Amino acid sequence: DAGVTQSPTHLIKTRGQQVTLRCSPKSGHDTVSWYQQALGQGPQFIFQYYEEEERQRGNFPDRFSGHQFPNYSSELNVNALLLGDSALYLCASSPRQISYEQYFGPGTRLTVT
Amino acid sequence: QKEVEQDPGPLSVPEGAIVSLNCTYSNSAFQYFMWYRQYSRKGPELLMYTYSSGNKEDGRFTAQVDKSSKYISLFIRDSQPSDSATYLCAMSDYNTDKLIFGTGTRLQVFP
Repeated sequence: DAGVTQSPTHLIKTRGQQVTLRCSPKSGHDTVSWYQQALGQGPQFIFQYYEEEERQRGNFPDRFSGHQFPNYSSELNVNALLLGDSALYLCASSPRQISYEQYFGPGTRLTVT
Repeated sequence: QKEVEQDPGPLSVPEGAIVSLNCTYSNSAFQYFMWYRQYSRKGPELLMYTYSSGNKEDGRFTAQVDKSSKYISLFIRDSQPSDSATYLCAMSDYNTDKLIFGTGTRLQVFP
C-alpha cells in the first residue's frame, strides 16, 4: 500500500517565479492538507482540500493556491516567490471521517534564490 | 504566546533510558492530540494519537493527555539509537481539521 507521495523532491527557483508542487494521497484517503515547515520549526497549515474544494485556510497570502483533482491528488501553487518561501512543503492525507489522523508525505524542499 | 509550546532540546540520553517528551498548550478547545516522529530531511511519521484525556500505549510508546493542566506527554521506554529524531506534538479541535504543531524536540539516543 503506497503512502503519500510528493513530487518533486527538491526544487530551486528564483525570486518572482512561480512553482507547482504535487501530491498523491494514501490509498483510501480523500482529504489533502498542505503545510509549510521552515527550518527548525513545526509545520504550519496552509490549506485543506476535500471534494475538489478548498475547505479551510491558514494564515497564508493569496499567492498560495491549490487544486484537488477527481482522483484526490492535489497541487500547491505559489506565485511571485519570495526568499522567505524557502521551506519544506508537506502534503498530508486523511480519510474525511477521521480528518485529524493525517499521514504526511516526504515533502518537497523548495529553495528560493 | 504560541498556542503549542515544546522545548526544542536537544535531549541526549543513553540507550535503554526512559525518555519523556512534553508539550503545553493554551487552547482549551483542543480535543485530538498527536505525536509525530521526523527524521532529518524527511516527512513527519504519525506515531500515536489520543482523543481527550487519558493514556494510550503502543509498544515502547505511551501517550498521556492531562486536559486540566493543558499538558501532554510522550514516553519512550528502552530507547534505541534508532529513536534519534525530532518529535513533534500536534493538536486540533472539533471545529477545524488543521493541526497545530509544536516546534519539535530533537532527541539523541547514544549507544
